[in-house]
Amino acid sequence: GAVVSQHPSWVICKSGTSVKIECRSLDFQATTMFWYRQFPKQSLMLMATSNEGSKATYEQGVEKDKFLINHASLTLSTLTVTSAHPEDSSFYICRETAFFGQGTRLTVV
Amino acid sequence: GENVEQHPSTLSVQEGDSAVIKCTYSDSASNYFPWYKQELGKRPQLIIDIRSNVGEKKDQRIAVTLNKTAKHFSLHITETQPEDSAVYFCAASTSNFNKFYFGSGTKLNVKP
Repeated sequence: GAVVSQHPSWVICKSGTSVKIECRSLDFQATTMFWYRQFPKQSLMLMATSNEGSKATYEQGVEKDKFLINHASLTLSTLTVTSAHPEDSSFYICRETAFFGQGTRLTVV
Repeated sequence: GENVEQHPSTLSVQEGDSAVIKCTYSDSASNYFPWYKQELGKRPQLIIDIRSNVGEKKDQRIAVTLNKTAKHFSLHITETQPEDSAVYFCAASTSNFNKFYFGSGTKLNVKP
């Protein structure tokens, strides 16, 4: 089946810095990647949908300038958390078709 | 838009017993219903899915049933084992290429 590789699996960064998370489609070229955020003991919250070669579609309440999504190639979508703050600490995970990446645990200190 | 409700939020069963998790959806256009198992700190893993052209699908100890008329679908796990302990999520969509609307999750605890 389709495989999505997500990196890094965890990252610790200082407040005010930016962090980039990558999701790569390894064996299935899908044009759409879905980005989620998950707080402890909660469900998956869709942040945005990215399509290759076009601007991402953000869900209501998600700051576009803070969570930059790029999908420049068919197989790679990236999420950049800009000017990170402790409240951005969370589990970020991408999905392509029915398969999720490994997830990234972001901790902002 | 679509609204998916999932029950129960927690479920404890004895090893060997069956577990049933239920979900309802609101949008009759939804026709793809995946189920995920998520262990602590890990990604949700697809364990079974069903499309609206069938009413039931089974894979070893796991089965999913779908009632399109009533707009509900259920996950059935038989002969539960401690390694089945995890959080389970249901979802509804118009296809696996589109948005998924997730339930709130069910924490299953299988007691040895």
